[in-house]
Order: sequence, then C-alpha cells, then structure tokens
Amino acid sequence: DAGVIQSPRHEVTEMGQEVTLRCKPISGHNSLFWYRQTMMRGLELLIYFNNNVPIDDSGMPEDRFSAKMPNASFSTLKIQPSEPRDSAVYFCASSFSKGETQYFGPGTRLLVL
Amino acid sequence: RKEVEQDPGPFNVPEGATVAFNCTYSNSASQSFFWYRQDCRKEPKLLMSVYSSGNEDGRFTAQLNRASQYISLLIRDSKLSDSATYLCVVPRGFGNEKLTFGTGTRLTIIP
Repeated sequence: DAGVIQSPRHEVTEMGQEVTLRCKPISGHNSLFWYRQTMMRGLELLIYFNNNVPIDDSGMPEDRFSAKMPNASFSTLKIQPSEPRDSAVYFCASSFSKGETQYFGPGTRLLVL
Repeated sequence: RKEVEQDPGPFNVPEGATVAFNCTYSNSASQSFFWYRQDCRKEPKLLMSVYSSGNEDGRFTAQLNRASQYISLLIRDSKLSDSATYLCVVPRGFGNEKLTFGTGTRLTIIP
C-alpha cells in the first residue's frame, strides 16, 4: 500500500515567491496533519484537518501560510510570499482517525534563498 | 519546564551495549506517550506507545514515571541499525491528535 505521498520532495525558490506543497494522505485516513521541522525548533504542528475540515491552525506561523484540503485525498500548504526563515522540512502525516497513529510522508525540503 | 525535553546527545554506544534515554514533560494531564524514530533525512516513524507504567517490545522497553513526569526508552543489545534520532512525543490536551515532539536524542551505534 502506498504511504503518505508528498510533492515536490525538494524545492528551491527565491524570497518573495509563492510556494505550494502537496500531500496525498493514506487512503481511508480521515485526519491529516502538516508539520515543519527545523534544527532550532524541532518538529512543530502547523495545522490539522479532520474529515477535510481544519480543526486547529494555531501552529500556523503567520498569515503568509495557508492550508486547504478540498477533498479526502489531497491537501496543500501554501506560503506566499516566502521568506528565507521558512526554509525547513515540511512533513504531512495522516491517521485513520483522531488520536490514532500518525504516519508521516517523506517530507518536502524547502530552501528559500 | 518545557513541554517536552530530551537530552540531545549524541550518544555513541558500542554495538551490543544497553543504552537508555530520558524525556521529561510538563503536562501532568497527559495519558499516553510515544517514542518515534527518525533516520537521517527521513520521516519520523512510530517506535512504541506507552499507555501505562511501561511497554516492552523485543529489545526495546519504554517506562513511564507519572509522579516525576518522565518517560524513558531502554535499548538492549544495541544493533548498528538502531542508529537514529529518537523523538519523545507527548500529546497536548486530552486527545492524541495534537502531538508535541521533543527535539530528539541522537544515537550512534559503533561497530
């Protein structure tokens, strides 16, 4: 079975550009999570969805970040405009339901120059 | 106290040795805890869940001390393949959907 799929795997962009990260959760999973990992701050939860509805976005750093989940098999995390401090690894994770084990995708390595 | 705090290491341990990591947490209401493993440049993967005083899975033992608010992970007969970063994870609130990850303890097993 396919795990969580993320694209792109690597992204290099210039400051001010829009960045869109994509995630396909495991089929049948109802909860989806976006995390960011940096050396300084570790792994941080940005936002999570349950049944395609955003439940908690308190971890989203600022208005430049937005996330959507238009259907059960697709989610996006958008950064507009991007800044060098957004450079990090962004992970998407999904779980069968709230509180169940979270399975992580391979991550997107973002570098903003 | 930080929400989740771990000794960052690195721990450099000879193959076959026993190694233990500790993790402290601040939320006394937390009921369940997790250890995730993250290999270099890979995603985190669940290693063990801890729901009561402890849990054992082969060479791995996780123990929970609620009074002192710490969780430990013990690895016996360490293998080269155990080299990784081990993340202590504590849920926020009452459900397990919002997880707080520690910054991780880096372990290297030396041949």
